[in-house]
Amino acid sequence: KQEVTQIPAALSVPEGENLVLNCSFTDSAIYNLQWFRQDPGKGLTSLLLIQSSQREQTSGRLNASLDKSSGRSTLYIAASQPGDSATYLCAVSSASKIIFGSGTRLSIRP
Amino acid sequence: GAGVSQTPSNKVTEKGKYVELRCDPISGHTALYWYRQSLGQGPEFLIYFQGTGAADDSGLPNDRFFAVRPEGSVSTLKIQRTERGDSAVYLCASSQLAGAGWDEQFFGPGTRLTVL
Repeated sequence: KQEVTQIPAALSVPEGENLVLNCSFTDSAIYNLQWFRQDPGKGLTSLLLIQSSQREQTSGRLNASLDKSSGRSTLYIAASQPGDSATYLCAVSSASKIIFGSGTRLSIRP
Repeated sequence: GAGVSQTPSNKVTEKGKYVELRCDPISGHTALYWYRQSLGQGPEFLIYFQGTGAADDSGLPNDRFFAVRPEGSVSTLKIQRTERGDSAVYLCASSQLAGAGWDEQFFGPGTRLTVL
């Protein structure tokens, strides 16, 4: 059974710092891995999608990597801003369903 | 529409009542998914539709939960004899291509269900 873990559960850093969020999964037989952002009381916004054949994806200040063999993904955020404050969720897809981690609650201090 | 929409945004009901939650996917998206999210947790998969048929309903917690998508677009999640433990945010997502694992999913804002 696929399990997805995100560490840390919460993170607070000062504005301008670069940071890394971690995601690990137990079953390497995945189709893709997706990183989402969720603001309080809102739905999910897709940030980056990495197919199983890819090793990383980049969008602006965000870079996500995928190492299937070790069951890990990282989301790198460069030059963090207060507007980056949100919960970040990773999700892995296998067969017909997507399994989410519990998320990392990120707070960027001005 | 431009994105996935869900109605109502909030629903408060009493234990034992029946509720329906609606999802309008992005036009042209063939795949539609329902998730349930409890406070402090990631979304939990409930059911996935490919067109009009439920391709995978293994996430439905019990037979009080049922979902339909009769014309391959709008979907309704139905919960009978609601219980306090059903209180959560119910999220809907859609994707363009066939197969839940293959394509980027776009989420709606969710319906917050509270069972008193």
